[in-house]
Amino acid sequence: GAVVSQHPSWVICKSGTSVKIECRSLDFQATTMFWYRQFPKQSLMLMATSNEGSKATYEQGVEKDKFLINHASLTLSTLTVTSAHPEDSSFYICSARLLREKLFFGSGTQLSVL
Amino acid sequence: QKEVEQDPGPLSVPEGAIVSLNCTYSNSAFQYFMWYRQYSRKGPELLMYTYSSGNKEDGRFTAQVDKSSKYISLFIRDSQPSDSATYLCAMSAGTPLVFGKGTRLSVIA
Repeated sequence: GAVVSQHPSWVICKSGTSVKIECRSLDFQATTMFWYRQFPKQSLMLMATSNEGSKATYEQGVEKDKFLINHASLTLSTLTVTSAHPEDSSFYICSARLLREKLFFGSGTQLSVL
Repeated sequence: QKEVEQDPGPLSVPEGAIVSLNCTYSNSAFQYFMWYRQYSRKGPELLMYTYSSGNKEDGRFTAQVDKSSKYISLFIRDSQPSDSATYLCAMSAGTPLVFGKGTRLSVIA
């Protein structure tokens, strides 16, 4: 299957700092990538849809100024959590669409904000 | 009624058992149906992908889609301890995927 690389896999930061998470499609081009958040023992919650070369589309309730998404190329999307606070601690997962709604996921990033 | 319903389990079976996982849905426009396996603190891994109705088999895994009943299933034959994970159904009508809550499966050696 297609490979999506996500890093870092784990990050700890102080409250008020910003954290950037990268998501790369290694062997295919992805015009659309998605960012999810997952709480323990919960399903995936879609945060935003990232389209190459255009602004991301955020789901209701997701603060676009806090979660900055950039999709500058067909193989790279980044999520920046700005001014992170403890309530932003979560497991963040990206995915890239290959075709016909077939999504491949990154390995996830566990963010802990102290 | 939620768009996708999936029993969260947990489901515990002995090694070698046949496992049946299923989801029901309410949106008749769904055409793409997927099953993902997720190990703890890892991203979901695509197991099975089906377009429209029918069955699909891949090794020990069989996916079934019954659009008339709005019901999809995943069967795992000869289950192994390494199959212990959370299984998520997902479906789409050409829009972002809608996920079930996931079923936690434990296969006991």
